[in-house]
Amino acid sequence: IVLTQSPGTLALSPGETATLSCRASQTVSSNLLAWLQQRPGQAPRLLIHGASSRATDISDRFRGSGSGTDFTLTISRVEPEDVAVYYCHQYGTSPSTFGQGTKLEIK
Amino acid sequence: VQLEESGGGVVHPGRSLRLSCEASGFTFKSYGMQWVRQTAAKGLEWVAVISYDGKNRLLADFAEGRFTISRDNSEDTLYLQMNNLKSDDTGIYYCAKSSGAVTYADMWRGDSSLCLDVWGQGTTVIVSS
Repeated sequence: IVLTQSPGTLALSPGETATLSCRASQTVSSNLLAWLQQRPGQAPRLLIHGASSRATDISDRFRGSGSGTDFTLTISRVEPEDVAVYYCHQYGTSPSTFGQGTKLEIK
Repeated sequence: VQLEESGGGVVHPGRSLRLSCEASGFTFKSYGMQWVRQTAAKGLEWVAVISYDGKNRLLADFAEGRFTISRDNSEDTLYLQMNNLKSDDTGIYYCAKSSGAVTYADMWRGDSSLCLDVWGQGTTVIVSS
């Protein structure tokens, strides 16, 4: 399954809302889609699993939604610490695959 | 919960490397484990998965015949043996904990247990002549 993320880069001011998209080339089985955050120089970190469930200790500013082939990560009230590349990851069909990432910048 | 990779380095094409991943803070023998790499050309790319008991494993097509994933549950350590390395293998290799045990059926069809809920900091592999 090929995952296509958009936009490639998103530049927002603090306090704005970020909307990131992930589109799959075929249906993601059981909506087994995750969102990962990779801050500069760090490893990826799980934010959302099962399309909409927040991982442990993840702020409620992060919300995942969607089903089938179209998924969205919404980040409310963006902060400087949110600067990162965000990836979607589907694990409902083997082999699991990743999107190419959306880079979030803060103005 | 922590994962710490080691074993990366600079090697010539055709040579071998063995990566290790030491786990702590959770019951290692109860969870499937995976390797994911990050390359400049392809971004994040799944490499391999091994079941909780080490009896079942699955490799990406590019890794078949060259890489081997294994684990030592008595030492809480995951391994990736990489042979006949190519320049395309250059990148950062992450070990990651699966959210469940991962059975043989899970790894072939896809399953919630394959979610990667904890990642190590990565080890860098550079294949260059």
